Amino acid sequence: DAEITQSPRHKITETGRQVTLACHQTWNHNNMFWYRQDLGHGLRLIHYSYGVHDTNKGEVSDGYSVSRSNTEDLPLTLESAASSQTSVYFCASSRDSGANVLTFGAGSRLTVL
Amino acid sequence: AQSVAQPEDQVNVAEGNPLTVKCTYSVSGNPYLFWYVQYPNRGLQFLLKYITGDNLVKGSYGFEAEFNKSQTSFHLKKPSALVSDSALYFCAVQNNFNKFYFGSGTKLNVKP
Repeated sequence: DAEITQSPRHKITETGRQVTLACHQTWNHNNMFWYRQDLGHGLRLIHYSYGVHDTNKGEVSDGYSVSRSNTEDLPLTLESAASSQTSVYFCASSRDSGANVLTFGAGSRLTVL
Repeated sequence: AQSVAQPEDQVNVAEGNPLTVKCTYSVSGNPYLFWYVQYPNRGLQFLLKYITGDNLVKGSYGFEAEFNKSQTSFHLKKPSALVSDSALYFCAVQNNFNKFYFGSGTKLNVKP
C-alpha cells in the first residue's frame, strides 16, 4: 500500500544544531508540503513543492529550507535550530489537480533545548 | 487576508446526542472545503470535502457537513455522537491557486 513516512518520529536537539526531518511518500504525488503544529495556531505552512526541483516558501519559512531532488522525498532542514522551532512537524502530499485531499504523515516531534 | 476560523476551541457533547463543529472562512474565489480529524499522536485524516453541488456532503464515520455560501460556513455535523469520535477536528480550505488554509482546530469531547 502507498504511504507517507516521516523520520525521526521524535528528536531532541540543542540550539544552533542543524536538523533534518525526512519525508518519503510512495503515492507518486507531485505536491508535497511541510506544516508545523503548535497549540493555538493549528497548522502553519512552512514550505511546499509542486514537483521535482520546485520549492516555495510558506507563511513561516524563516529558519527552514527544503529541496526536492525526486518525486518521493522532501526533507526539511533547520539550519540552526532555535527553541522557537520546538513543535510537531507534519509532512503531507497530494495529487496535482482538483480538490486535493492531503495525505499526512504521522508527524515528527522536535524539541530544541 | 485569507483565513479559516473555528470559533470553538472545544466542544463537549454527550454520547448519542447530535454534534456540530463550526467553521467559517474568508478565502477568495470558489474554494474547496475540507474536514480532517486528528487522533492523539497521529497525522490528520481526511473526513469529507465539498467541491460543488448539494450543500450537504457526507463523509467517513457518519459525519456530514453543511456548506452555506452566503455565510461562508462549512459546519461539521453528526446526528449521534460516539465516544470514539473524541478527537481534534480541523477545517481546511483550498483556494483556486492550490493553497491550503487550516483552522486552529476544535477538540471534540464526547462523554459516555
